[in-house]
Amino acid sequence: EAGVTQSPTHLIKTRGQQVTLRCSPISGHTSVYWYQQALGLGLQFLLWYDEGEERNRGNFPPRFSGRQFPNYSSELNVNALELEDSALYLCASSLSGSYTEAFFGQGTRLTVV
Amino acid sequence: AQTVTQSQPEMSVQEAETVTLSCTYDTSESNYYLFWYKQPPSRQMILVIRQEAYKQQNATENRFSVNFQKAAKSFSLKISDSQLGDTAMYFCAFRGSTLGRLYFGRGTQLTVWP
Repeated sequence: EAGVTQSPTHLIKTRGQQVTLRCSPISGHTSVYWYQQALGLGLQFLLWYDEGEERNRGNFPPRFSGRQFPNYSSELNVNALELEDSALYLCASSLSGSYTEAFFGQGTRLTVV
Repeated sequence: AQTVTQSQPEMSVQEAETVTLSCTYDTSESNYYLFWYKQPPSRQMILVIRQEAYKQQNATENRFSVNFQKAAKSFSLKISDSQLGDTAMYFCAFRGSTLGRLYFGRGTQLTVWP
């Protein structure tokens, strides 16, 4: 069974540009979480989607947004990129309606220059 | 609000020895799960062990075990017979039934040396 997959694995963007990151959850999982992990820092919660709805949002500016599609895959969009947006972006998925574990993808390494 | 605290930013242990990583949490929920994840240099987050709050028995997975003290809101991870491959950042995490999202501690960097 395939795990959580994220694309792309690496990308480099210029300050001011926009970027879209993608995540496909484990089959049967309807909850998707996005976390930002800057170098040397812990995981900062960005967004939680469950069955197509945004359930919770972390303390990030509105230029961070996302959505979840009917097949439960998800996109994270970041507009007007800033240098401090350089980080590893992790996506995780879990079953809905339960509070069991979440499984993580390998992450997308974003570098803003 | 839920909080997860890992008070040890870094720890080291010699191969084959035992090490314990500490974690405390704060919540008003009665039903929840606790987890330990490891993040090796590859940056892939891997689930190590989980504990359901309603279970009094401490979870064990091979060389990994937890000491769950619900009243004290403490959830430590013990790694026995440490191996070089255990070198990683370890994150303690909480997930409650009400809010649903995962809350993470800031992590403990564990280094296993020969």
